[in-house]
Amino acid sequence: GAGVSQSPSNKVTEKGKDVELRCDPISGHTALYWYRQSLGQGLEFLIYFQGNSAPDKSGLPSDRFSAERTGGSVSTLTIQRTQQEDSAVYLCASSFRDSSYEQYFGPGTRLTVT
Amino acid sequence: AQKITQTQPGMFVQEKEAVTLDCTYDTSDPSYGLFWYKQPSSGEMIFLIYQGSYDQQNATEGRYSLNFQKARKSANLVISASQLGDSAMYFCAMGEHNYGQNFVFGPGTRLSVLP
Repeated sequence: GAGVSQSPSNKVTEKGKDVELRCDPISGHTALYWYRQSLGQGLEFLIYFQGNSAPDKSGLPSDRFSAERTGGSVSTLTIQRTQQEDSAVYLCASSFRDSSYEQYFGPGTRLTVT
Repeated sequence: AQKITQTQPGMFVQEKEAVTLDCTYDTSDPSYGLFWYKQPSSGEMIFLIYQGSYDQQNATEGRYSLNFQKARKSANLVISASQLGDSAMYFCAMGEHNYGQNFVFGPGTRLSVLP
């Protein structure tokens, strides 16, 4: 079956522009996570969606970052007024229910802010 | 507070030898899950193994086993008969069932398998 997909795979943008990153989770998975991974670093949690519950936004680094999940499926991470420090790989993952289940990761979106 | 600690930033192992990657965690939630992920240089994150806090036996998946010592809050990954393809970053992670909704990852250990 299809895994988690993300688009675009690579994004180069100028400082100050807005970007949208998309994630398509595995069908039937109710939990969806966004992470950020800077070069050579671990994963930084950004936001978590679980079913129809209010998302856990505790990891979003600033109010320039926002995310939504429409219809309990596709999610979009938006970064407004991008800064060079936003350059990283953005990973999306989904799991069957909640944090007690393993997560399946997408291939990531490599964002470069010039 | 750091919830997942991986004290070995880098490890080397000879091909066909076994290696243990350390992970300690911190939680007050009695119900939690521990996970190990592998990230090769290609960047994909691959789920390896899961241990539930109430599981009586250590988890095993092929050449991977998890040495779970609950009292010590330790969940070390053991890879037997290392292969060159095992060279990668390895991340330990925890999901709390009651107190937390998000996943916490450790900083990772880079494993290099030598021929």
